[in-house]
Amino acid sequence: GEDVEQSLFLSVREGDSSVINCTYTDSSSTYLYWYKQEPGAGLQLLTYIFSNMDMKQDQRLTVLLNKKDKHLSLRIADTQTGDSAIYFCAEIMDSSYKLIFGSGTRLLVRP
Amino acid sequence: GAGVSQTPSNKVTEKGKYVELRCDPISGHTALYWYRQSLGQGPEFLIYFQGTGAADDSGLPNDRFFAVRPEGSVSTLKIQRTERGDSAVYLCASSLTGQGATGYTFGSGTRLTVV
Repeated sequence: GEDVEQSLFLSVREGDSSVINCTYTDSSSTYLYWYKQEPGAGLQLLTYIFSNMDMKQDQRLTVLLNKKDKHLSLRIADTQTGDSAIYFCAEIMDSSYKLIFGSGTRLLVRP
Repeated sequence: GAGVSQTPSNKVTEKGKYVELRCDPISGHTALYWYRQSLGQGPEFLIYFQGTGAADDSGLPNDRFFAVRPEGSVSTLKIQRTERGDSAVYLCASSLTGQGATGYTFGSGTRLTVV
């Protein structure tokens, strides 16, 4: 079945790196995503990775995918207070349109 | 418009009442999706439209929920005989086509509170 799990909360100091982890159960996932949600706002797509890739880097963001362990992580370098938000990982199956989301990780960046 | 617009942004209704939530997608986007986000949870899929037709309504929780998109643009999610458990943020998204989610744009959602 489809299940995406994340830890609930992460607190870091401004300027440090943040690592948010996610595990998923369905090996037929094609794309895996990281979304950011700020209070009162919709979901903002941060980055995504295709399932045949191990790593993707986009400015301060690094996504690592361990397909064997079904583990996805998002590293944010030089974390800023504006990065405080809830981060969701999500997966999508081959030729599908339906996003399966985790419960979200609340990131708090302390000054 | 420039983004996906959802109205109202907040709706408080009494248990048993009928509500309508509106989504105005990005112009030209043929695919439209509704998701529901309960407190402390990630969004869950409700329904997917391709053009005017509901291509997949498997996520609608029961027959009190219904959605339409009569002209292939604006969509309305309708909830009859609301229950307290329907309280959630209802998110709409649109994309140019229906494949993959790299092109999804989400609206800010409608927060529905049933009292």
